[in-house]
Amino acid sequence: GNSVTQMEGPVTLSEEAFLTINCTYTATGYPSLFWYVQYPGEGLQLLLKATKADDKGSNKGFEATYRKETTSFHLEKGSVQVSDSAVYFCALILTGGGNKLTFGTGTQLKVEL
Amino acid sequence: GAVVSQHPSRVICKSGTSVKIECRSLDFQATTMFWYRQFPKQSLMLMATSNEGSKATYEQGVEKDKFLINHASLTLSTLTVTSAHPEDSSFYICSAKRQRGGIETQYFGPGTRLLVL
Repeated sequence: GNSVTQMEGPVTLSEEAFLTINCTYTATGYPSLFWYVQYPGEGLQLLLKATKADDKGSNKGFEATYRKETTSFHLEKGSVQVSDSAVYFCALILTGGGNKLTFGTGTQLKVEL
Repeated sequence: GAVVSQHPSRVICKSGTSVKIECRSLDFQATTMFWYRQFPKQSLMLMATSNEGSKATYEQGVEKDKFLINHASLTLSTLTVTSAHPEDSSFYICSAKRQRGGIETQYFGPGTRLLVL
């Protein structure tokens, strides 16, 4: 079956620190990969996505590269801010999979001054 | 951006009662909505796909008679947890699919926390 594994949180960083949240996947086909973010009290928002191997998704300073050889899609940001504090979900959809998202467990990020 | 709301945000009920959760797409029409369930520190698990004007499609292991889904209009889907039990306590999240310019995107609601006593 399909699955997504994320590093456990919470991840606590100081402002302006470098962020990496690891995500690996298993899939029976060729997935598209996503990162969603959930701010406190709000719904999940699409942060970035990549639809094929070696694609890099980027948004708001966050980046993730689709690595087929390591089946990974790690989220990175060079300098985090307090406003980045949220829960981050890695997810995949199989091509032709009817828009059924498979999510990781989520990683909570806390950024402190 | 597209907005999806859920109501209520939090509900506490007695065991044996039924609870209805609403999911609305506020500024777009959604022929397809999805219902997810999330346990603490676990993934969002897809429960069912709700299609406007037709029966919902349930994922394996989800009891359709217990989790009734009605997609009554292009902006509203409801999930009714019937005869709720403490093990139904969870965080329920909906999403609505919008199609624009040939691109499909899912927008998520803020979730509903259900506690069954």
